[in-house]
Amino acid sequence: DIQMTQSPSSLSASVGDRVTITCRASQSISSYLNWYQQKPGKAPKLLIYAASSLQSGVPSRFSGSGSGTDFTLTISSLQPEDFATYYCQQSYSTPRVFGPGTKVDIK
Amino acid sequence: QVTLKESGPVLVKPTETLTLTCTVSGFSLSNARMGVSWIRQPPGKALEWLAHIFSNDEKSYSTSLKSRLTISKDTSKSQVVLTMTNMDPVDTATYYCARTGTTYYYYYMDVWGKGTTVTVSS
Repeated sequence: DIQMTQSPSSLSASVGDRVTITCRASQSISSYLNWYQQKPGKAPKLLIYAASSLQSGVPSRFSGSGSGTDFTLTISSLQPEDFATYYCQQSYSTPRVFGPGTKVDIK
Repeated sequence: QVTLKESGPVLVKPTETLTLTCTVSGFSLSNARMGVSWIRQPPGKALEWLAHIFSNDEKSYSTSLKSRLTISKDTSKSQVVLTMTNMDPVDTATYYCARTGTTYYYYYMDVWGKGTTVTVSS
């Protein structure tokens, strides 16, 4: 199975900050990488697929980049509604493993 | 509007078999290159992908849970069923189903149900 790691596991940031989350795959997955946002008590929400394609309706302050084994999710200017946990997921092969998550909270 | 709704028991006993149903609306389980995935999340922990099934009946399972899982679909009822045998307290979690779509072979889960919480306890 492909293993996914994320860093950091948590971070504290302020509204307006630029935030970057890193995801790494244990082998090359080309651009087969998704990002999800999850708020407490809610189902996850798809933000980005194919490493850099913004899902319809997702604000443009979210962006994704990377290919191969290293990927990043960037929030250009953190908003109050962005405090949540973010998960990456590889879609290169089955099983479609998720990363362990990165919790973004208020500084 | 696309929706998915999970249903099943709230409480199961250890060693019992769990059966969960995902009822979908707003799309058909026979749509080409479209399917449904199951994902779970133990309390306070990360998401864990369990299985998926596609319109062509392609199925795939978590490696660690493969021996305990079965996924199936009833297109006429717009339902996907996941069974998990030999339940254990560590299987206590919120179980989600999600529509799984593709764009140029990039797979992603774009619409999720609200989840159903399952507790395993005697």
